[in-house]
Amino acid sequence: DTGVSQDPRHKITKRGQNVTFRCDPISEHNRLYWYRQTLGQGPEFLTYFQNEAQLEKSRLLSDRFSAERPKGSFSTLEIQRTEQGDSAMYLCASSLGGLAGVGNEQFFGPGTRLTVL
Amino acid sequence: AQTVTQSQPEMSVQEAETVTLSCTYDTSESDYYLFWYKQPPSRQMILVIRQEAYKQQNATENRFSVNFQKAAKSFSLKISDSQLGDAAMYFCAYRFNNAGNMLTFGGGTRLMVKP
Repeated sequence: DTGVSQDPRHKITKRGQNVTFRCDPISEHNRLYWYRQTLGQGPEFLTYFQNEAQLEKSRLLSDRFSAERPKGSFSTLEIQRTEQGDSAMYLCASSLGGLAGVGNEQFFGPGTRLTVL
Repeated sequence: AQTVTQSQPEMSVQEAETVTLSCTYDTSESDYYLFWYKQPPSRQMILVIRQEAYKQQNATENRFSVNFQKAAKSFSLKISDSQLGDAAMYFCAYRFNNAGNMLTFGGGTRLMVKP
């Protein structure tokens, strides 16, 4: 089964450090989404890509956050100068996009749990 | 902006019984989808059921069914014959049918199933 995978699953870092997460979507999916989920809350949209193009960013994505999908396959999410408020689960999802895929569901990865000390 | 509200932080059901989880949403759009996702403890989120707003018929997937009231902007999930494996966080989600298709989630309902 080649579902959405994320690495690492857990990351503990000290405030001020930079961290990078990776997401590998389902291979034929051209859309990739990042969400953030804080404890006891529902996920919140951060950004999404269609192929290698980053098409939308939430206001939650501050200047310390950057996401890339260089070859339209895997994606990375980097957080610079981490703060305690960045502690959360970072979820990646992928789907088929375009007119034919408007109704297609998003498949989620297991998430990366970030703890900032 | 669209919002999704789940007013029940926790629900409990006896095994084999039926439970209904509530969800309301706010949108000015007419073309959208609604979803219920299940997130078991320490496991990834999976789609339970989907409803297209233009369809009047309520969606059903085995033991899971929805009551979609478009005018009232209500979208509840009914789980029949509850099983221990149904214990999880359940999230209601909205998606406007536009180019982005990003999901807007409610705050979730924790479902506990008693044996």
